[in-house]
Amino acid sequence: EAQVTQNPRYLITVTGKKLTVTCSQNMNHEYMSWYRQDPGLGLRQIYYSMNVEVTDKGDVPEGYKVSRKEKRNFPLILESPSPNQTSLYFCASGERGLWDEQFFGPGTRLTVL
Amino acid sequence: SQQGEEDPQALSIQEGENATMNCSYKTSINNLQWYRQNSGRGLVHLILIRSNEREKHSGRLRVTLDTSKKSSSLLITASRAADTASYFCATDAAGNQFYFGTGTSLTVIP
Repeated sequence: EAQVTQNPRYLITVTGKKLTVTCSQNMNHEYMSWYRQDPGLGLRQIYYSMNVEVTDKGDVPEGYKVSRKEKRNFPLILESPSPNQTSLYFCASGERGLWDEQFFGPGTRLTVL
Repeated sequence: SQQGEEDPQALSIQEGENATMNCSYKTSINNLQWYRQNSGRGLVHLILIRSNEREKHSGRLRVTLDTSKKSSSLLITASRAADTASYFCATDAAGNQFYFGTGTSLTVIP
């Protein structure tokens, strides 16, 4: 089944404790992206990747890191999480980036205390 | 920011009625997409319309695009309770970034 998977689905952590949210897709898509969703603000793009070893900042990259060492994986790293990073995070992938539909993962609800 | 704005923010209709929601954006685009999100879940792609297209249909969905007004509308005909969800428009911009609007929350009352 074609899908985007994210782990963990729920995470409660404390300020400053490094964490990684994994994202994997099995559709051989070149484009992958991370978004955060906050009430009243819609979805905002954090980082995106056009292909392996190619990553770029989105609208709200501060406090986040990403890497794209393999085509299927695009982990999101929070080196020192802060409470303002409490949010619902989505990973997405697309065959040709903006020219095609994006397939979204189920989301990761992160709470930083 | 390129972020789009959906209008209305919330919409409540009876089952069988049509639902119309609008999206406005700020800069030139190559294409515009509409997505649906059931509460707290991942977004599902509904339809993509390119900047050189004016109207597109998919089942009960009809999307229009007016690039001169930088706006798009999504019409859901003969709505069902299962259509209850939030609807977002998404646009590209210079580069490869994706911009989502703030969404319209649709409630279809059985």
